[in-house]
Parts: sequence; C-alpha cells; structure tokens
Amino acid sequence: AQSVTQPDIHITVSEGASLELRCNYSYGATPYLFWYVQSPGQGLQLLLKYFSGDTLVQGIKGFEAEFKRSQSSFNLRKPSVHWSDAAEYFCAVVATDSGYALNFGKGTSLLVTP
Amino acid sequence: DAGVIQSPRHEVTEMGQEVTLRCKPISGHNSLFWYRQTMMRGLELLIYFNNNVPIDDSGMPEDRFSAKMPNASFSTLKIQPSEPRDSAVYFCASSLKGGQPQHFGDGTRLSIL
Repeated sequence: AQSVTQPDIHITVSEGASLELRCNYSYGATPYLFWYVQSPGQGLQLLLKYFSGDTLVQGIKGFEAEFKRSQSSFNLRKPSVHWSDAAEYFCAVVATDSGYALNFGKGTSLLVTP
Repeated sequence: DAGVIQSPRHEVTEMGQEVTLRCKPISGHNSLFWYRQTMMRGLELLIYFNNNVPIDDSGMPEDRFSAKMPNASFSTLKIQPSEPRDSAVYFCASSLKGGQPQHFGDGTRLSIL
C-alpha cells in the first residue's frame, strides 16, 4: 500500500529565508503526489500536484516541488518565506488501490520567525 | 465558485447522542471523501463515494459510523451513539473524478463530552 513520510514534524525558518519540506513516498508505480497547506481552523488547500511529465512543478503562493523517482521524494520548496506561510503542510499520495483516496503524511508544522 | 460546504462548523454534544455531519460537494464533482483529523492519528480516510456509490468504507471505525450520499449534491456522516473518542475534526472533500485534486471543506470540529 502507498505511504507517505514527512520526516520533519516542526520546522522554523526566518522570514525571507529559503524553505524545503521533505516528503518521501512508498509506491510501486508512478504516484500521483500532492502538497496541501492547512492554516489553523481551516480546511486543506491544494498547493501543487504531480501526475506525470516535468518533474519540477509550480504551485500557488510561490511554492514548487520536485519529483525525484530515484529518491522516492517530492520535496516542497520556496525561495523566500513570508510570515503568512506559517501553517501545517501535508504531503499526500493517491492510493490507487483504494479508489483514489489520499494517503497523507503526518504533516510538518512551519513556524516563521521575524 | 462555491467550494465544498460543510455543516455544522462546530458541534458539541454529550456522549450517547446522535451526531450528523453534512457535506455539499462542488457541483459537477463525482467523487466525495470523508476524512477525520486527530492529533494522534493525523488525517485518515473514513469513506469514499464515486457517483454517489460507496467505494471504500474500510476506514469507518466501527458500526456506530455510517455515511450516505443520496444524491450528487449531498452527503451525511452519522455517528450513533457518539463517544468521547470520536472527538476530532471531520473533513469532506470532493474531486472531479478519482485521482484528480481534492477540494476540502473547512471541516466540522466535533467535541463529544
């Protein structure tokens, strides 16, 4: 079965610094991969997705992610973090053996300091 | 465009009571998902519908939980009887079809006393 690992539970970065959130997946075929962001008290908002093709995908709010099959990774990046980026970030993979439901990682909580 | 609409946003009730959570998916979306989010277990799929038909309900914790989708624009998740361990945030999501990005509602924060 598909699974997703986000190794970092919490990350703290300074405003203006670059950001990379790690995500590793376990899946036999080419996965469908997603990054979502959740602000406190809110639902999940899609940042970007990867289905196939170009392994570097651009998303909203200046985020990008790179699919690396050799490393089974789909890390999320942003060159310059803004205070409003503080939130919980979830990596997810589509579980094609259960009707396309999402398998989520445990999430990474991002704190942005002045 | 209206997103996924969930109601109520908050529900506080005593254990043993029946709880009904409601979801209106985005118009035209054929797939609907119910998730539960807790600190301990993170986000877990409860049940998934495609074209109003339940496809996978293996995530439903026990018989106290039931979900229905009587038509393409409405779904309910019912807990009867409710227990304190059911306290969580319940999310509904919909997608155009299986595998496409899912759009989430704002969730229902459920507290069972």
